[in-house]
Amino acid sequence: DTAVSQTPKYLVTQMGNDKSIKCEQNLGHDTMYWYKQDSKKFLKIMFSYNNKELIINETVPNRFSPKSPDKAHLNLHINSLELGDSAVYFCASSQDDQGYEQYFGPGTRLTVT
Amino acid sequence: QKEVEQDPGPLSVPEGAIVSLNCTYSNSAFQYFMWYRQYSRKGPELLMYTYSSGNKEDGRFTAQVDKSSKYISLFIRDSQPSDSATYLCAMIGGSQGNLIFGKGTKLSVKP
Repeated sequence: DTAVSQTPKYLVTQMGNDKSIKCEQNLGHDTMYWYKQDSKKFLKIMFSYNNKELIINETVPNRFSPKSPDKAHLNLHINSLELGDSAVYFCASSQDDQGYEQYFGPGTRLTVT
Repeated sequence: QKEVEQDPGPLSVPEGAIVSLNCTYSNSAFQYFMWYRQYSRKGPELLMYTYSSGNKEDGRFTAQVDKSSKYISLFIRDSQPSDSATYLCAMIGGSQGNLIFGKGTKLSVKP
């Protein structure tokens, strides 16, 4: 069983569309994260949720909205997609909000045309 | 100055070589230091983490932290072609769980 899974793996869409990426973890962890890896491979945190509550919200556009229906799931909804949103988005989870042992999903490669 | 600096490489070594990967950082508040391995088109995989200064060994991998110099290292002994990947250092920043990553060093181990 995959510990941290994401769907879809690839997403190609046009500018202006709204899309969602889903993440699920079966590790029983309390904290989940979204990261963005840009074309230069730089990985940067976007959001963190601990027990369904937002604990980190780095300076990302408010077109990005995370939603956590329960502590095993953290989805990312993106409105009005822009070219600059093209990147690989990784979900991760950790046992608690200390976060020094994070496990990553396989990534969702988003291409905005 | 960026919070975490890491030479992107690429670094190419022959099989069996000892590999040294390094990062420097500027924030003295960092306490946890991690090394992740990322294969092409895959998610980062946690190799090991270290708390504060000192060494930690796991098989062929050794992580070192020198907080006085704000310098961390990962050594890979007897490197194998399967070690070819990008290695990312990461540290816990001001917010809990807020991992700050280096840009990664791309390593290639030639048979």
